[in-house]
Amino acid sequence: QITLKESGPTLVKPTQTLTLTCTFSGFSLSTSGMGVGWIRQPPGKALEWLALIYWDDDKRYSPSLKSRLTITKDTSKNQVVLTMTNIDPVDTATYYCTHRGIRVLYSSSWDGPFDYWGQGILVTVSS
Amino acid sequence: DIVMTQSPDSLAVSLGERTTINCKSSQRVLYSSNNKNYLAWYQQKAGQPPKLLIYWASTRESGVPDRFSGSGSGTDFTLTISSLQAEDVAVYYCQQYYSTPLTFGGGTKVEIK
Repeated sequence: QITLKESGPTLVKPTQTLTLTCTFSGFSLSTSGMGVGWIRQPPGKALEWLALIYWDDDKRYSPSLKSRLTITKDTSKNQVVLTMTNIDPVDTATYYCTHRGIRVLYSSSWDGPFDYWGQGILVTVSS
Repeated sequence: DIVMTQSPDSLAVSLGERTTINCKSSQRVLYSSNNKNYLAWYQQKAGQPPKLLIYWASTRESGVPDRFSGSGSGTDFTLTISSLQAEDVAVYYCQQYYSTPLTFGGGTKVEIK
């Protein structure tokens, strides 16, 4: 059973750095094909993908936020950390940690969608 | 970036009626190596995280009721709820996972008429 849980501050001041931790269980991020992503959702708005880290430490970022984001993993702790610098009130959102698994087809493994999500953490940016 | 456009933004449907949500991608999301469209549908109920319903445009995730179905190919996709139930009230999102940046549609809110 795969579970993910986000943790971190719920109130951050503008210009500060936000650090969020995703602690997961039920899979290993050292297993070929596995990935963990971060997605956010401002109140009442749509989902926005932020970053993704794969089992082989391949990292992908949203181009619009790439200069502000860093994603890392600690396989031994089953954790993924997302850091966002120079926080602004527009960054107020619920931040979700997600599992990107694989799907098997024709005896081969292929990138899958986000099949497991954490409950999310609401981060408010305000002075 | 692949832009995902959903329509309508919202709709109100009577219980038991058929519901159709459309999603259009600005580029094809068909992966030639396996002939699959990398298009997923999610359901998000109020106060909850999104839940995966459909992947590869038409494959139902395990445990998802069969009244949910996905169709389409190339750049045009559809999510259909064959007979709307009260528990289907939610916002529905499409997403392409063909290439990064991974992108979502703006969402379609489904309510009961």
